[in-house]
This record gives sequence, C-alpha cells and structure tokens, in this order.
Amino acid sequence: EIVLTQSPGTLSLSPGERATLSCRASQSVTNSYLAWYQQKPGQAPRLLIYGASSRATGIPDRFSGSGSGTDFTLTINRLEPEDFAVYYCQQYDSSPYTFGQGTKLEIK
Amino acid sequence: QVHLVESGGGVVQPGRSLRLSCAASGFTFSRYVMHWVRQAPGKGLEWVASMWSDGSNKYYADSVKGRFTISRDNSKNTLYLQMNSLRAEDTAVYYCASQVALGYWGQGTLVTVSS
Repeated sequence: EIVLTQSPGTLSLSPGERATLSCRASQSVTNSYLAWYQQKPGQAPRLLIYGASSRATGIPDRFSGSGSGTDFTLTINRLEPEDFAVYYCQQYDSSPYTFGQGTKLEIK
Repeated sequence: QVHLVESGGGVVQPGRSLRLSCAASGFTFSRYVMHWVRQAPGKGLEWVASMWSDGSNKYYADSVKGRFTISRDNSKNTLYLQMNSLRAEDTAVYYCASQVALGYWGQGTLVTVSS
C-alpha cells in the first residue's frame, strides 16, 4: 500500500501570498498518477490537478502541480479568499488508491 | 451537464445491510472506471472501492473487503455499493466519483450505523 503523507498539517497564510503544499509517497507513484483535491465544509471534493501537473477543467492557472516519483507539490499563487480550504492528494497508481490526510489552508 | 446523484443512505443498526446507488448522467458512464469514497464525520477522505468500466476488475479497501460489493449497470448508468455487516466505523458520507481525470463527484449520501 502506498502511504501518502501531506505537510504541513495546517498552513496559515494571507490573501495574495503563495501556498506550497507537499505530498510525499512511501513508494514511487508510477506514471505520475497523483491528483490534488480541494474541499470546503459541507461540499464534495473538487478535482484541481491530475497526472501530477495537469489542471482540471475550469481550474484557475494560479493552481499548479509538480513532482514525480515520491515527492509532489501543489502550489497556489496569489491566494484568493475562496482558496482557503482543505487540500488532499490521492494516488491512483495502484490499489488501494490512497489519500493523504489533508492540509488545512487557513487565513492568517 | 454532468450529474452524479447518490441515494440509499440512512440510519441502520450494526450488522445490518444497506445498498447505495449512484445515478450518472451527462457523460458516457459505460466508458469509465467508477469509485466509491467515504468521509467519516470530521475526518479525511478514504477510498472504498473501484470498478472498471466493463466490470473486469474490482478493488476494495481492506477495511471493507468481504463486506462491501461494488457493481454497476451500464444500461442504467448506475453504480452500486452493497454494504453488509455494517459497523459503527462505517458511519460516513459516501461519495461516488468518476475516473480521476474526469473529476466528477456526487454530493454524497450519509450512512449512519448506530443502535
């Protein structure tokens, strides 16, 4: 089983700043089958990034994903008020298709 | 417009069964892998089960293996999750989701296992 560890657990930033979220896998995620999701209270998760770096439809270009192998990063440039939420990474390379524990991005 | 609509949730006693449904529309359901994902109250996301488009492969989380069964009816554009021998720790919002790259998720249905 691939274990995903997200850091930090909580990130406190101000609107306009840049957020850098990390997702580290316990073993290599082949084919970069790594996705990032945003979730707000009471809502279903929203796909942001798939294939480690491909933005999903309708996602603003201030969101970008990078990385390969075991280390992946979600970067959010110029934070907007609506970006403050919980973010999850998920690997869909091999079953079980595990999620990270989440990073809460909160307003400082 | 794409819709995934889950139904079948509710309150059930430990040891009992429940079947969830997910009705899909707005995309070619029969072409894509489909997933069930759950989220316990106040907790993170947990992948539950996946099924290939043609039914050739099914995968389960260890926590539900042997108790839950994923299935689909491509003629009805519907995904199912049969949940048997339910436990308190199965209490969660259950989401159905499309193949990852499509990014389609339902709004979720709440399952509460309690006596």
